[in-house]
Amino acid sequence: EIVLTQSPGTLSLSPGERATLSCRASQSVRTIYFAWYQQKPGQAPRVLIYGTSNRAPGIPVRFSGSGSGTDFTLTITRLEPEDFAVYYCQQYYSSQWTFGQGTKVEIK
Amino acid sequence: QVQLVESGGGLVKPGGSLRLSCAASGFTFKDYYMSWIRQAPGKGLEWLSYINGGGSTIFSADSVKGRFTTSRDNTKNSLHLQMSSLRAEDTAVYYCARYNWNDEMLDYWGQGVLVTVSS
Repeated sequence: EIVLTQSPGTLSLSPGERATLSCRASQSVRTIYFAWYQQKPGQAPRVLIYGTSNRAPGIPVRFSGSGSGTDFTLTITRLEPEDFAVYYCQQYYSSQWTFGQGTKVEIK
Repeated sequence: QVQLVESGGGLVKPGGSLRLSCAASGFTFKDYYMSWIRQAPGKGLEWLSYINGGGSTIFSADSVKGRFTTSRDNTKNSLHLQMSSLRAEDTAVYYCARYNWNDEMLDYWGQGVLVTVSS
């Protein structure tokens, strides 16, 4: 099983600031099999980024993804009030899909 | 539009069984892999299983293998999760999601259904 470790656990930032979220895999993951999701309280998750760096339909350009091998990053260039949520990374590379434990982006 | 609606959740005693369903609409169901994911109260997402379009390939998380069975009925556009030997730690919101194999992402999710395992 590929373990995904997200850091930090919580990110306290103000609207307008830049958010950088990390996800480290216990073994190498092909970039096409890596995604990021956002979840708000009481809602189902929604996909933000697929294939490491491709924005899903309707996702604003302030969201971007990068990385390769075992290290992946989600960047939100300027936080909007609606961006305060929990973010999860996910890999589909192995037959046992896994999610990271999540990073909460909270208002400072 | 794509819709996924889970049903079948509720309160069940430890050791009991429950069958969840996910009704799909708005797309050609048999052409898509489907997946189950759960989220325990206040916790993160846990992938449980996926099944290919024809139902011939199924992979499950080690944590539920042997207790949970994923299946689908393409004639009824429905996905199922048969859960047995339920434990308190299976208490969670269970989501079904569509796997977009072209872009490699879970692009549509249901609203989730709560399963509570308690005596």
